[in-house]
Amino acid sequence: QSVLTQPPSVSGAPGQRVTISCTGSSSNIGAGYDVHWYQQLPGTAPKLLIYGNSNRPSGVPDRFSGSKSGTSASLAITGLQAEDEADYYCQSYDSSLSGSNVFGTGTKVTVL
Amino acid sequence: EVQLVESGGGLVQPGRSLRLSCAASGFTFDDYAMHWVRQAPGKGLEWVSGISWNSGSIGYADSVKGRFTISRDNAKNSLYLQMNSLRAEDTALYYCAKDHYGSWNYAFDIWGQGTMVTVSS
Repeated sequence: QSVLTQPPSVSGAPGQRVTISCTGSSSNIGAGYDVHWYQQLPGTAPKLLIYGNSNRPSGVPDRFSGSKSGTSASLAITGLQAEDEADYYCQSYDSSLSGSNVFGTGTKVTVL
Repeated sequence: EVQLVESGGGLVQPGRSLRLSCAASGFTFDDYAMHWVRQAPGKGLEWVSGISWNSGSIGYADSVKGRFTISRDNAKNSLYLQMNSLRAEDTALYYCAKDHYGSWNYAFDIWGQGTMVTVSS
């Protein structure tokens, strides 16, 4: 069972802005650990989209942005495009017990 | 070109063992931590295990602790996952992933295409 909670789905029309939340706790996001986001297109391996809460790897469009506050984080997609239809996952480190990396439950983004 | 290529997956009976391998190329392998991440059919991502750049620090998900062993051979640019006492719930696509840093608690910036493990009698 994941310790990071995301909405199962979000949708938007082309050109619109959508946001995906990632809710954690005091042992992961709230403890100050960075949040990272991944995009998984259908039938492909995940791809790093945002690292360190708000940093974009080279090649990732600036339509994608990340933020973090308290025990939660968010991924925003502005100017939604058809090719953004994918599953999105947040990820962080959890210091409870012996420590582990944890993924969010995942969010399916649908472009209407 | 930065690349990770997994191998070793297949069909295995419950209780048996399997060893996965991941061949890395295009980057300085021994500078970075490495991970195994799995995805059951139709499900989300689950971190399985991570190993630091020098094998000095290792972590496991509770679901595999005591059954799986991660290791690496920096001379061969290779990562491994020894999976023992396999269960039906271990059925998944197993990805090899590179960490952004040398410790195993950050972001996964390069992923392989995965190797499928099916545990069934």
